[in-house]
Amino acid sequence: EAGVTQFPSHSVIEKGQTVTLRCDPISGHDNLYWYRRVMGKEIKFLLHFVKESKQDESGMPNNRFLAERTGGTYSTLKVQPAELEDSGVYFCASSQEERGGADTQYFGPGTRLTVL
Amino acid sequence: AQKVTQAQTEISVVEKEDVTLDCVYETRDTTYYLFWYKQPPSGELVFLIRRNSFDEQNEISGRYSWNFQKSTSSFNFTITASQVVDSAVYFCALNTYNTDKLIFGTGTRLQVFP
Repeated sequence: EAGVTQFPSHSVIEKGQTVTLRCDPISGHDNLYWYRRVMGKEIKFLLHFVKESKQDESGMPNNRFLAERTGGTYSTLKVQPAELEDSGVYFCASSQEERGGADTQYFGPGTRLTVL
Repeated sequence: AQKVTQAQTEISVVEKEDVTLDCVYETRDTTYYLFWYKQPPSGELVFLIRRNSFDEQNEISGRYSWNFQKSTSSFNFTITASQVVDSAVYFCALNTYNTDKLIFGTGTRLQVFP
């Protein structure tokens, strides 16, 4: 069974540009999460989808970040326009159970974003 | 509020030594879940273990063992006879039945030297 995949693995952009990150969850997993780790700090929650609906987006830093999950399959996270403080590693995770809090989240390899 | 503290930023050991990674958590919920993830140099987060708040039994899996103590709000991870391949950053995490998001500690970088 394929794990969570993320694309690209690395992205280097200049301040003010737009970047779109993609996540493909494990097949059949209704829950999809985005997290971010800024250099040296803890991994922080961004948002949670249940199928195509946003269940919790309390961790989204500001309106420059837009997440979508069309059709309840893969998800994209767009940053527009990117700022220096957006640099970090963006992780995607998925879990199977309807009540995500009671289930294990499996993570992808992450996308390392560098904003110059 | 929920919080996870991993006080050890970095630990270095020589192969075959035993090493314990500490994790202390805070939550007011009575139903919660604790996790350990491993992040090897390749970058992905690998799930190691999940424990629920009603199961305080210690767990052993090969060279890995976990000690869950509700009295001290700790969920420590011990690697016995460490190997170079154990070198990684290890994250402890918490979520509760009412909160789907994981709350992570800052991670402990373990370096095992030959």
